[in-house]
Amino acid sequence: EVQLLESGGGLVQSGGSLRLSCAASGFTFSSYAMSWVRQAPGKGLEWVSAIISSGVTTFYADSVKGRFTISRDNSKNTLSLQMYSLRAEDTAIYYCAKAIVGSRSGFDIWGQGTMVTVSS
Amino acid sequence: QSALTQPPSASGSPGQSVTISCTGTSSDIGGYNYVSWYQQHPGKAPKLMIYEVSKRPSGVPDRFSGSKSGNTASLTVSGLQAEDEADYYCNSHAGSNNYVVFGGGTKLTVL
Repeated sequence: EVQLLESGGGLVQSGGSLRLSCAASGFTFSSYAMSWVRQAPGKGLEWVSAIISSGVTTFYADSVKGRFTISRDNSKNTLSLQMYSLRAEDTAIYYCAKAIVGSRSGFDIWGQGTMVTVSS
Repeated sequence: QSALTQPPSASGSPGQSVTISCTGTSSDIGGYNYVSWYQQHPGKAPKLMIYEVSKRPSGVPDRFSGSKSGNTASLTVSGLQAEDEADYYCNSHAGSNNYVVFGGGTKLTVL
């Protein structure tokens, strides 16, 4: 079964750090670009960051650029998001999502999400 | 404020058709054929319904269709069913700087 399972969410103080992980199974992880997408409580979806299949190239939303780092370990089928200098507005459910081959916006597999709460 | 503009709500009766618009710019929707649509039920992860403007993933009913004209993309749901009631989001590739942008979402109500 194709699956993504996020972990690492929790409660952190403003200015703190947190590392999210996403374990992939059921597909050849190393062949696909991956993204993180977040959703603040009661709000819409916001793309956060993406990484190509090899891990060489990364992309970030302006709202997290310089504070978040996306990475992947293709040998362990794991995607990560290191978050620094967290702010209250980073409070959200964080989803990892698998990109469709050749598509730059289509995410066909999503995890169940992990909640990050930043307290001020 | 979201990069792509969607109406906050849409509605239709069972069996009817409803179209949801998603308006961007020439830097995103108008510049690429990489528009996708997602369905999200409360408390659930989003589900891909349409990608690359009009392609349907395996398992998505053909009642769902997508199109694009200029800087505006549209999702049409035909033969509305109760289970179609959900939030719908569009997104688009936006170049190497912004990469992906989402719309603010549309709550579809089946009357």
